[in-house]
Amino acid sequence: DAGVTQSPTHLIKTRGQHVTLRCSPISGHKSVSWYQQVLGQGPQFIFQYYEKEERGRGNFPDRFSARQFPNYSSELNVNALLLGDSALYLCASSLGKAGGPYEQYFGPGTRLTVT
Amino acid sequence: DAKTTQPPSMDCAEGRAANLPCNHSTISGNEYVYWYRQIHSQGPQYIIHGLKNNETNEMASLIITEDRKSSTLILPHATLRDTAVYYCIVSLSGWTPLVFGKGTRLSVIA
Repeated sequence: DAGVTQSPTHLIKTRGQHVTLRCSPISGHKSVSWYQQVLGQGPQFIFQYYEKEERGRGNFPDRFSARQFPNYSSELNVNALLLGDSALYLCASSLGKAGGPYEQYFGPGTRLTVT
Repeated sequence: DAKTTQPPSMDCAEGRAANLPCNHSTISGNEYVYWYRQIHSQGPQYIIHGLKNNETNEMASLIITEDRKSSTLILPHATLRDTAVYYCIVSLSGWTPLVFGKGTRLSVIA
């Protein structure tokens, strides 16, 4: 079975632009989470979606938004890019249903560079 | 903030057991201990989790103290490919948002 996939792998954007990152979860997984990892730090939680509804939001500005589609894939959007948004963006999927515990499976990430 | 404390770095000789400690003194009774690792520039990889009993899978063993305030991840025969940052995380269910600390950078040396 395919793991979590993310696209694109790398991306270079200019300050002020917007970006859309995409994630496809493992088949059967209904929960998708997004994390940001800046150099030298552990991943930091941005959003979680389950069954197309937002279940959690981390401490990120409103420039960050996300959604989950009926096929459980997800998009992360970042508007008005800042230099500080340069990071590895990770997507993780999980079964996410009652009766856990469950583990999260991470994709390879999208490396975003803002210049 | 992360509820765990880990040493920033450790070295291990190839073929020897790597023992990675983690303190989680404020863990709640229904929180699990999860371990993930991240090999350079890749996404984190799930290793193992446990509640209060010791656990073992094909990758590692997890030893949790009786008071649950600390745990140790054991890689029985470390290889160069085990060089990575190892994160110890406490979580209610594992699929809720994970709070990563800075982890332990394990270097396996030939």
